[in-house]
Amino acid sequence: GENVEQHPSTLSVQEGDSAVIKCTYSDSASNYFPWYKQELGKRPQLIIDIRSNVGEKKDQRIAVTLNKTAKHFSLHITETQPEDSAVYFCAAITGTASKLTFGTGTRLQVTL
Amino acid sequence: NAGVMQNPRHLVRRRGQEARLRCSPMKGHSHVYWYRQLPEEGLKFMVYLQKENIIDESGMPKERFSAEFPKEGPSILRIQQVVRGDSAAYFCASSPTIAGTDTQYFGPGTRLTVL
Repeated sequence: GENVEQHPSTLSVQEGDSAVIKCTYSDSASNYFPWYKQELGKRPQLIIDIRSNVGEKKDQRIAVTLNKTAKHFSLHITETQPEDSAVYFCAAITGTASKLTFGTGTRLQVTL
Repeated sequence: NAGVMQNPRHLVRRRGQEARLRCSPMKGHSHVYWYRQLPEEGLKFMVYLQKENIIDESGMPKERFSAEFPKEGPSILRIQQVVRGDSAAYFCASSPTIAGTDTQYFGPGTRLTVL
């Protein structure tokens, strides 16, 4: 089955700096890669996703890159703000499986 | 368009009791997924259902756990004879019927505490 690894487990940045979170996956058949943001006690909220037919996607301050050859994808947050502080999860879906396999999460702390 | 609904939001059970968790998918969504999140951990897939069918239950323990998604009404995750290790947040997600649309939207979760 699919296995997703995520690094780092914690990340502290100053307000205005960029944050990068990296994930690797094991199943070359995986074709959909969402990123979720989860605040304490809240539901996972989809913030951006990418499919295997594109290499990069951007939405305002958030971007995701995908390297299919290396089987890794990354989340980039620019101009971080205190409200970006949360736990971020990457995930992957293999086409026939439909279930999401999650990474272990990255706790992002944006300090003033 | 209401999002994914789950109830109850918090559930307290004593060891040996039964827990029933309910999930109503978003309007127009016929795919339902259940995930479990232990404290300070990531989400783990449990089961994937469509109306009246269990598609994939590979992540669900063989004993004590069952799930259904009837033709009418919400999807239900049932845990019999709960133990302390069942304490977790249980999230339901739904996705549309359209083939190739994989985006899953999560409900607010049910936080189960077993005393």
